[in-house]
Amino acid sequence: DAGITQSPRHKVTETGTPVTLRCHQTENHRYMYWYRQDPGHGLRLIHYSYGVKDTDKGEVSDGYSVSRSKTEDFLLTLESATSSQTSVYFCAISDRERKLFFGSGTQLSVL
Amino acid sequence: SQQGEEDPQALSIQEGENATMNCSYKTSINNLQWYRQNSGRGLVHLILIRSNEREKHSGRLRVTLDTSKKSSSLLITASRAADTASYFCATENNAGNMLTFGGGTRLMVKP
Repeated sequence: DAGITQSPRHKVTETGTPVTLRCHQTENHRYMYWYRQDPGHGLRLIHYSYGVKDTDKGEVSDGYSVSRSKTEDFLLTLESATSSQTSVYFCAISDRERKLFFGSGTQLSVL
Repeated sequence: SQQGEEDPQALSIQEGENATMNCSYKTSINNLQWYRQNSGRGLVHLILIRSNEREKHSGRLRVTLDTSKKSSSLLITASRAADTASYFCATENNAGNMLTFGGGTRLMVKP
C-alpha cells in the first residue's frame, strides 16, 4: 500500500473522549491528507499538511485537529468525539504528479 | 458540497460489456483523477488527466475530459467480474493543494 499505514484499524469509543488516529508513511512525501468517508458523501477532506508543522483546513475540519512533527507522521485528533464523527477515516499521501496513495482506513465508532 | 458528481450512482452490467461513468464538476481544475475502491479497502489511483488534455488511455480504461462542459467520463472496456468496485472522480484545484472527490459510482459486473 505505497508505504502508508494507519493505526488503529478499528476503534470504538464513547462520546466526549479524545481520540487520536495515526498515519505513517515511508515515502518521504511532502503532502499528507486526512479524509473521512461516509455513505452518500464520498470522501471529504478534513485537514492536510504540506510539510513539517505546516497544516491547513479542508472541507470538514470542525471538531478535528492535526499535527505533523515529523515528515513521516500525520496525526488526526478528535478532541471530544461525537456520534457524528463515526466514520471511516483515510490517510493519503501524494506524489509529485499529485496522485494520491491511500492507507487502509480506520473504522471509528463513537457510541 | 462536492466538487465532483458521478453519474450514475450505481451501474450493473454483464461481463464483457463496456461500462461508462460520468463526472461533472463546478470550478476550474488543474487535473481530474479517477480512483477505484474495493469494498472495505482504501482507494487506488487509476488515471490522471490534465486540464489541457482531452483523452487518455490506460489498458482497458479510457478517460475523456471536456473542460468547456466541466465533465469527464471513464470507460472500462470488456469488463470483468473483478472490475466490480466503486469508482470515484476527483478534481485538483488550481492552487494544487486540494483534491476533492465525488460521491462515486458503484459498478457491479455480473459473471
